[in-house]
Amino acid sequence: EDQVTQSPEALRLQEGESSSLNCSYTVSGLRGLFWYRQDPGKGPEFLFTLYSAGEEKEKERLKATLTKKESFLHITAPKPEDSATYLCAVTSYSSASKIIFGSGTRLSIRP
Amino acid sequence: DGGITQSPKYLFRKEGQNVTLSCEQNLNHDAMYWYRQDPGQGLRLIYYSQIVNDFQKGDIAEGYSVSREKKESFPLTVTSAQKNPTAFYLCASSIDGSGANVLTFGAGSRLTVL
Repeated sequence: EDQVTQSPEALRLQEGESSSLNCSYTVSGLRGLFWYRQDPGKGPEFLFTLYSAGEEKEKERLKATLTKKESFLHITAPKPEDSATYLCAVTSYSSASKIIFGSGTRLSIRP
Repeated sequence: DGGITQSPKYLFRKEGQNVTLSCEQNLNHDAMYWYRQDPGQGLRLIYYSQIVNDFQKGDIAEGYSVSREKKESFPLTVTSAQKNPTAFYLCASSIDGSGANVLTFGAGSRLTVL
C-alpha cells in the first residue's frame, strides 16, 4: 500500500536555527514528490516538485532533496515568517491520479 | 488573476441537512479534486474529476456527492449520510490528472455541524 510519513509532527526552532523535515514514502514507482506550505486556515501553496533520486531544488531559505526512500526539506537560518505546516505528497505511476499526502510537520520559529 | 474560488468560507449545518460547497477555477485545468482535512491528519481525497462529465471516488467518498457539468466548476455536496462532516474542505485543480503536475488549491471551506 502506498504510504507517506512525515516527521517530526511538530518542530519549534529559534530564529536562525537550521533544521530538516523528513518525508518517508513507500510507493510502487514514484511519479513525483511534492512539497507544499500551508498557513493556518488557508489552502496549501506549492513549493517544490522532485522527480528522481538525487534531485535537489532551492528557494530562498528552503532546499528540498530526494532519495529512493525519502525526501528532506532543509531550512537554513529560518525566520518567524517561515512558521507554517509543511506537507509532503507523492504520486505513483501505478495510480497517477491518486495523490497521497502525509500528515504534515507543523513548524514554529521563535524570534 | 487565475485561481480557485471556494465558497462559502464558513458554513454551519444542522444534522440531517445537505449542504453544497462551491469550487470554481479559471485556470483552464482539466483535473479537479476535493480533499478533507482534519486536525493532525493529512489531506484525504473525497472525489476527483479528470474531465467534464466524469468523476471518480477517492478514499472517503461515502456521504458525499459531486458533479462536473462544466470544466470550471466542481461542487461538492455533503449529505446527511456523512456521519462526521465537521472539517476543513479543500478544492484543488491541476493541468491534468497524470500525477506529474502541481495542485493549485483554493482557500478552503470550513464546515461545522451544530
